[in-house]
Amino acid sequence: EAEVAQSPRYKITEKSQAVAFWCDPISGHATLYWYRQILGQGPELLVQFQDESVVDDSQLPKDRFSAERLKGVDSTLKIQPAELGDSAMYLCASSESIQVGTDTQYFGPGTRLTVL
Amino acid sequence: DQQVKQNSPSLSVQEGRISILNCDYTNSMFDYFLWYKKYPAEGPTFLISISSIKDKNEDGRFTVFLNKSAKHLSLHIVPSQPGDSAVYFCAAKRQWGNFNKFYFGSGTKLNVKP
Repeated sequence: EAEVAQSPRYKITEKSQAVAFWCDPISGHATLYWYRQILGQGPELLVQFQDESVVDDSQLPKDRFSAERLKGVDSTLKIQPAELGDSAMYLCASSESIQVGTDTQYFGPGTRLTVL
Repeated sequence: DQQVKQNSPSLSVQEGRISILNCDYTNSMFDYFLWYKKYPAEGPTFLISISSIKDKNEDGRFTVFLNKSAKHLSLHIVPSQPGDSAVYFCAAKRQWGNFNKFYFGSGTKLNVKP
């Protein structure tokens, strides 16, 4: 069964350092999403790609966060510099982007970030 | 402005009984609804979904009901098993220009007691 791959699974860093997360979506999925999830809350969308283009980054803190999906396949999310409040689970998801009806997001295992 | 709400942060059920998880939404443009199950330190796993043109979808022990007039959906698990203990997220999809957007509730933590 096809899965969304993410790495690393866990990351511990000190504040002001740079961190990067990688995601490889399910093959053929046009849309890729990065979410941040804080314990006790639902996933919060950071950025959404349609192929290689950003279609929504309204919730991405652009002063420190950046994301790219250069060839429309895998993607990297970067934080520089990391702050204590960035400690969270970072989830990547992908979907086929079926326009009508049954488009389903599939999530990767996530990266648990701890900023000390 | 939270468009998908799960008002019960937690639910405790005895093994073998029915678990009912609820979700309310505000946007009538949602055309597809999904439930995800999440274990600690893992990503959400897709569980079951329903199109807005239906009112019920069943998959084994899991059934999702949609009441469009009330903007309410629920997930029924019968019978509940200890392995069902997890956080359950409700999500809703709408079209946004040429792509789709998903909105998530805050989750309900289900504890199934042996």
